[in-house]
Amino acid sequence: DGGITQSPKYLFRKEGQNVTLSCEQNLNHDAMYWYRQDPGQGLRLIYYSQIVNDFQKGDIAEGYSVSREKKESFPLTVTSAQKNPTAFYLCASKPGIIDYGYTFGSGTRLTVV
Amino acid sequence: GESVGLHLPTLSVQEGDNSIINCAYSNSASDYFIWYKQESGKGPQFIIDIRSNMDKRQGQRVTVLLNKTVKHLSLQIAATQPGDSAVYFCAESRTASKLTFGTGTRLQVTL
Repeated sequence: DGGITQSPKYLFRKEGQNVTLSCEQNLNHDAMYWYRQDPGQGLRLIYYSQIVNDFQKGDIAEGYSVSREKKESFPLTVTSAQKNPTAFYLCASKPGIIDYGYTFGSGTRLTVV
Repeated sequence: GESVGLHLPTLSVQEGDNSIINCAYSNSASDYFIWYKQESGKGPQFIIDIRSNMDKRQGQRVTVLLNKTVKHLSLQIAATQPGDSAVYFCAESRTASKLTFGTGTRLQVTL
């Protein structure tokens, strides 16, 4: 079945360490997105990519980095510069930048101790 | 309705009753609106969407109403079932490049 796979589902890291969250899709979608979700809040956009080798900052990009070397993959690195990294991270994709049909992954819950 | 802060607004509905979840949006230039359902620990699932040139759209057991005059969106769920218990988000888009999400409403279905 086509879809988006995020791994791992739960991730624990020590403060000060960088950590990379995986997002893979086999939907042949061009556009991919990373959102952050905190308790009691909506989703906030971190980064997005419209095409391979290109990406743009979202509303809360500070302390995060991404790469888009392959169409299928859009990994997110949470760096030590992110002041409050503990959150639920969601990856999404859609066919193209002008399309509206987002598909979401099941998320990664990152806890920094 | 929508609120800002750590506590989600909660709507309690008895099984079999109709549910109405409300959302206020701020950007009058938004041209696309969508409702998502999110169960605990999972990613959002698409429910229904509507474009700004419409004021009503119906799906299976769900209806979305759009009032552009007051910038208000609502989701109606008919004959609410226990499986409908989740957090519901509205989202708006001014361009197709990204969505802006509301804070969500928790729907609790009581037996």
